[in-house]
Amino acid sequence: AQSVTQLDSQVPVFEEAPVELRCNYSSSVSVYLFWYVQYPNQGLQLLLKYLSGSTLVKGINGFEAEFNKSQTSFHLRKPSVHISDTAEYFCAVSAPGNDMRFGAGTRLTVKP
Amino acid sequence: NAGVTQTPKFQVLKTGQSMTLQCAQDMNHEYMSWYRQDPGMGLRLIHYSVGAGITDQGEVPNGYNVSRSTTEDFPLRLLSAAPSQTSVYFCASSYFPTSRHTEAFFGQGTRLTVV
Repeated sequence: AQSVTQLDSQVPVFEEAPVELRCNYSSSVSVYLFWYVQYPNQGLQLLLKYLSGSTLVKGINGFEAEFNKSQTSFHLRKPSVHISDTAEYFCAVSAPGNDMRFGAGTRLTVKP
Repeated sequence: NAGVTQTPKFQVLKTGQSMTLQCAQDMNHEYMSWYRQDPGMGLRLIHYSVGAGITDQGEVPNGYNVSRSTTEDFPLRLLSAAPSQTSVYFCASSYFPTSRHTEAFFGQGTRLTVV
């Protein structure tokens, strides 16, 4: 089975600063990787996904992530954050024929 | 589009009571699943279904039952509620071909408190 580790439970950052949220995964087979965002009292919304092809994936709201197979990582980045990016972010992994597994989440707090 | 609809949004139960959380999707997705979300633990898979009449257990199935009589509906039943089942529950659906996994769509969640 696949598993995901999000390396930071909380990331505080000032507005307009860059941010990186780290995600490592483990799997014995090829994987699909996802980042979801959860705003307060809401469900999860897909930010971006890696299924195959280019290792740099661009998503909504200016976020991007890079798939690194050798380091088994899928870190999420944004060059300049806004107050509205304050939310919880979840990394998830799945594989063909397998269900999706989530990390514990990273709470991003953007301060003015 | 309605997407994935969960009811109720909030629920308080007494220990030992039973209840059913409802989940319906209108996207004709084969795959549906239930997760629980607890602080510091992310989302953990309770049960899932790959189609009508087919269900299977996830990571934390104890104390929960599911059934899938139609493609659209996937109710989650708590048989005898316990305080440890206090959590936020999410239903999700997606296409689930054997060769790839696509985006999962989530409901708004049900916040359950067991006292």
